[in-house]
Amino acid sequence: GNSVTQMEGPVTLSEEAFLTINCTYTATGYPSLFWYVQYPGEGLQLLLKATKADDKGSNKGFEATYRKETTSFHLEKGSVQVSDSAVYFCALSLSAGNNRKLIWGLGTSLAVNP
Amino acid sequence: DGGITQSPKYLFRKEGQNVTLSCEQNLNHDAMYWYRQDPGQGLRLIYYSQIVNDFQKGDIAEGYSVSREKKESFPLTVTSAQKNPTAFYLCASSITGSGETQYFGPGTRLLVL
Repeated sequence: GNSVTQMEGPVTLSEEAFLTINCTYTATGYPSLFWYVQYPGEGLQLLLKATKADDKGSNKGFEATYRKETTSFHLEKGSVQVSDSAVYFCALSLSAGNNRKLIWGLGTSLAVNP
Repeated sequence: DGGITQSPKYLFRKEGQNVTLSCEQNLNHDAMYWYRQDPGQGLRLIYYSQIVNDFQKGDIAEGYSVSREKKESFPLTVTSAQKNPTAFYLCASSITGSGETQYFGPGTRLLVL
């Protein structure tokens, strides 16, 4: 079936460190891929997305590249800030068929220390 | 400003009581969704609606009910049949429900007294 697997957290980094959060997926067809971010006590916000292979999504210094050959969509940021502390969710949606729901990963908690 | 509003921010339920969570959007989106979030379990879909007067069960619909009488509104009722309702509830909407970007409200935290 279709699924999303994220690296387990919590991830703890010092300010200005490099961030990678791994996300791999299993899907039939050609999914679109998303990263959402949830700050404490709030709803989710779209961080970035990619709709086809080799696309790179980017926003607020975060990047992720849609790698079809490795079925991955890893999130990266070159220099994290304390304000990046949040939970990050990877998700996929399929472009065909009747199931138009998003398939969610379990989320990865990130804590950035000053 | 366009967006999704949820109320209340916190809600307390007594044993045997039904409670209703409000979700309103002014984005002119056709599709709306309800998710439940528990620690360590990510988001689980309760119900979704792709058009007014129509909705479908998600993965954990038991003990919940919804209505979609207006495009802007998608209230969720947590019934007494839901034995473990304590969770964070998130409402979302999207343009058509075709797997595109979903936009989320700020959430309602439901607690049982």
